[in-house]
Amino acid sequence: EDQVTQSPEALRLQEGESSSLNCSYTVSGLRGLFWYRQDPGKGPEFLFTLYSAGEEKEKERLKATLTKKESFLHITAPKPEDSATYLCAVKAGTASKLTFGTGTRLQVTL
Amino acid sequence: EPEVTQTPSHQVTQMGQEVILRCVPISNHLYFYWYRQILGQKVEFLVSFYNNEISEKSEIFDDQFSVERPDGSNFTLKIRSTKLEDSAMYFCASTYVGDTQYFGPGTRLTVL
Repeated sequence: EDQVTQSPEALRLQEGESSSLNCSYTVSGLRGLFWYRQDPGKGPEFLFTLYSAGEEKEKERLKATLTKKESFLHITAPKPEDSATYLCAVKAGTASKLTFGTGTRLQVTL
Repeated sequence: EPEVTQTPSHQVTQMGQEVILRCVPISNHLYFYWYRQILGQKVEFLVSFYNNEISEKSEIFDDQFSVERPDGSNFTLKIRSTKLEDSAMYFCASTYVGDTQYFGPGTRLTVL
């Protein structure tokens, strides 16, 4: 069974204080690792797709990286508007479904 | 930018009643999904739909659930006889070739 574990569960940063979120996974035949942002009461908003170890993607203050066992979402100089829950999900084997982690709830304060 | 839309945004129903949740996927997408998220828990897969049939379903998706694509634009999830434990956010998602899934804003279902 595919497993996705995210840490920490919650993270509080001051504006400008960089940090990283972790997503570790155990799957058989990774076909994609996905990062989403979710605001309260809203649907997941797509951020990145990573396919193979060593791959990196960037968007504004966010950078996602992938190894054979885990992915990191690096947040550089965050702003209060980056406050949200960040979800990691994997697609593996022959299935098209996504298996999600429980997310990291990020709060960025002034 | 094209997006997935869902209606209603909030549905309140009595236990045992039938509900239909509606989704309009992105227009050229071919794969459609329903997920749910119970308050405070992870997003869980329910069902995937391709070429007018279910391609995959989870253990949650029992005989009380059904999906349909009644026309070229809508994708629906029906719960025949709702239970208290069906209370959750229900998300529709779609993708073109089975890659990145784009999610709708969700329908909050409250079963009383």
